[in-house]
Amino acid sequence: RKEVEQDPGPFNVPEGATVAFNCTYSNSASQSFFWYRQDCRKEPKLLMSVYSSGNEDGRFTAQLNRASQYISLLIRDSKLSDSATYLCVVSISGSARQLTFGSGTQLTVLP
Amino acid sequence: NAGVMQNPRHLVRRRGQEARLRCSPMKGHSHVYWYRQLPEEGLKFMVYLQKENIIDESGMPKERFSAEFPKEGPSILRIQQVVRGDSAAYFCASSPFGGPDTEAFFGQGTRLTVV
Repeated sequence: RKEVEQDPGPFNVPEGATVAFNCTYSNSASQSFFWYRQDCRKEPKLLMSVYSSGNEDGRFTAQLNRASQYISLLIRDSKLSDSATYLCVVSISGSARQLTFGSGTQLTVLP
Repeated sequence: NAGVMQNPRHLVRRRGQEARLRCSPMKGHSHVYWYRQLPEEGLKFMVYLQKENIIDESGMPKERFSAEFPKEGPSILRIQQVVRGDSAAYFCASSPFGGPDTEAFFGQGTRLTVV
């Protein structure tokens, strides 16, 4: 079983749609949780950290359920520029080292 | 403030040759991390270095791979006697600290192709 599992997609949605991605992690000792975004053949970039209380950043909302070891990302009013691969990332140490990445969920927003 | 700089961006090596990948962290960052991304897979942690020290190399293959981060100059990931399976994107990240909740900033990666 992979340490971080994501639905690879692809998700193809029209502009303005709401789309949700899910992720599960296997190590209950994981301390920190993130969503990264990776554009084609580019480096991953931090989108947002994920907290147990849930957090929102503009059109993006992230949720963490520690009991179920489940993380979600909701994108509202999707834009063409949201097209990318979204990576679910966990850290056992709680620090920047040893980030464990999921394989990513590919999103394409269609005009 | 320049980001994490990696070079070369693309590297082609024949089987058996050596590959040297360079990473210059962001200004003021003394913590460097190397990750490998195989085709269609997630990034996998390889090694974590602080100036002149290897802190955690639990993700490094036992043979042919080595990393250093000298007092002066960039961090180097060295792969000796490359094989086809080494073909991947190698990403370097840096952070100012190594503690909790420290964001790591990634470079654009070096794409190694072994022919």
